[in-house]
Amino acid sequence: RKEVEQDPGPFNVPEGATVAFNCTYSNSASQSFFWYRQDCRKEPKLLMSVYSSGNEDGRFTAQLNRASQYISLLIRDSKLSDSATYLCVVKSLRLEDMRFGAGTRLTVKP
Amino acid sequence: NAGVTQTPKFQVLKTGQSMTLQCAQDMNHEYMSWYRQDPGMGLRLIHYSVGAGITDQGEVPNGYNVSRSTTEDFPLRLLSAAPSQTSVYFCASSSDRVSNQPQHFGDGTRLSIL
Repeated sequence: RKEVEQDPGPFNVPEGATVAFNCTYSNSASQSFFWYRQDCRKEPKLLMSVYSSGNEDGRFTAQLNRASQYISLLIRDSKLSDSATYLCVVKSLRLEDMRFGAGTRLTVKP
Repeated sequence: NAGVTQTPKFQVLKTGQSMTLQCAQDMNHEYMSWYRQDPGMGLRLIHYSVGAGITDQGEVPNGYNVSRSTTEDFPLRLLSAAPSQTSVYFCASSSDRVSNQPQHFGDGTRLSIL
């Protein structure tokens, strides 16, 4: 079983749509949670950290449920530029403990 | 700002050949790491280093060697390339091993082993 599981998609949505991605993790010792964005054939880049109380950054909202070991990312008012693969990432204490999901691919269409 | 620089960007090797993937960062980061990314799988850690002269194995170290003689450079060596090592390789660096400072990734090396 993978330590971090994501629906691979692809999610194909029209511009302006709201889309949600889910992620589950198996290590209950995980302490830090992130969403990274990876454009086609590019390097991953940090999109946002995920905090216990949930957090928002513009059109992006991240939620964490420690009891269910579940993380989500909500994108509102999708833009063409949101087309990318979104990686769910969890970490216990150290960077070498960081584990990446395989990613969920999003395509936003005009 | 250069950030993390990887060379080469693309490489094709024959089975059994050896090569070195270069990684350099100019941010004075102590922590550096190498990942591989394969279809349908998340990035997997190959080796990492917490500072010059210190390296350790990650999840998938077999077939790879690393060294860290300076803070800036962290080369990854394939000793005898195998088709299973066909992948995209990313080098990353961070200022801190424990805090949630983000990792900065290079733009990757696409490696094919025939």
